[in-house]
Amino acid sequence: SQQGEEDPQALSIQEGENATMNCSYKTSINNLQWYRQNSGRGLVHLILIRSNEREKHSGRLRVTLDTSKKSSSLLITASRAADTASYFCARFDQTGANNLFFGTGTRLTVIP
Amino acid sequence: DGGITQSPKYLFRKEGQNVTLSCEQNLNHDAMYWYRQDPGQGLRLIYYSQIVNDFQKGDIAEGYSVSREKKESFPLTVTSAQKNPTAFYLCASSWDRNTEAFFGQGTRLTVV
Repeated sequence: SQQGEEDPQALSIQEGENATMNCSYKTSINNLQWYRQNSGRGLVHLILIRSNEREKHSGRLRVTLDTSKKSSSLLITASRAADTASYFCARFDQTGANNLFFGTGTRLTVIP
Repeated sequence: DGGITQSPKYLFRKEGQNVTLSCEQNLNHDAMYWYRQDPGQGLRLIYYSQIVNDFQKGDIAEGYSVSREKKESFPLTVTSAQKNPTAFYLCASSWDRNTEAFFGQGTRLTVV
């Protein structure tokens, strides 16, 4: 399997706190992407970070990438109840094929 | 509105039957993907297609078949050879390996 791993599998925090999720992978990558999934719905793209980038911001989201450690993290600052969802990392590897592999996901619960 | 549409939203299959899940996109994307998601799990790649008339097996292609006769359409057939087909199926599309993927809202398939 080419799946990556997210850590933790589940995270529960109070509204207003920050949430950090981590993603590890095994192969060399072209880019790494983070997605959000509300229960029973499709996935929504959040942010894409390229292999030559180290950090990227989008609103309350901050993504870091460490290609030497083959890991990435997603930070959600000042969380809201509406941030409750599952978060997945995904990547295209460097084989040249358009196969987009997903990690196992982190289930985030933000308590109002 | 541009987007990716899956139908039906819910599908029930009797054992031994083949069923076809529809996926249509009007985003002019070259690449399309099918994923399977089991409860509380990540996404596993079934098939992907980089261009019309071309498709490749993902991690769990056994018991599934696809076609890509038109750029905008990538139907997935779940055959009777798939012994455990009950799952949530997600279709996605993207321009290429340097851009994000867009997802449909999913089809929930249940064997009765």
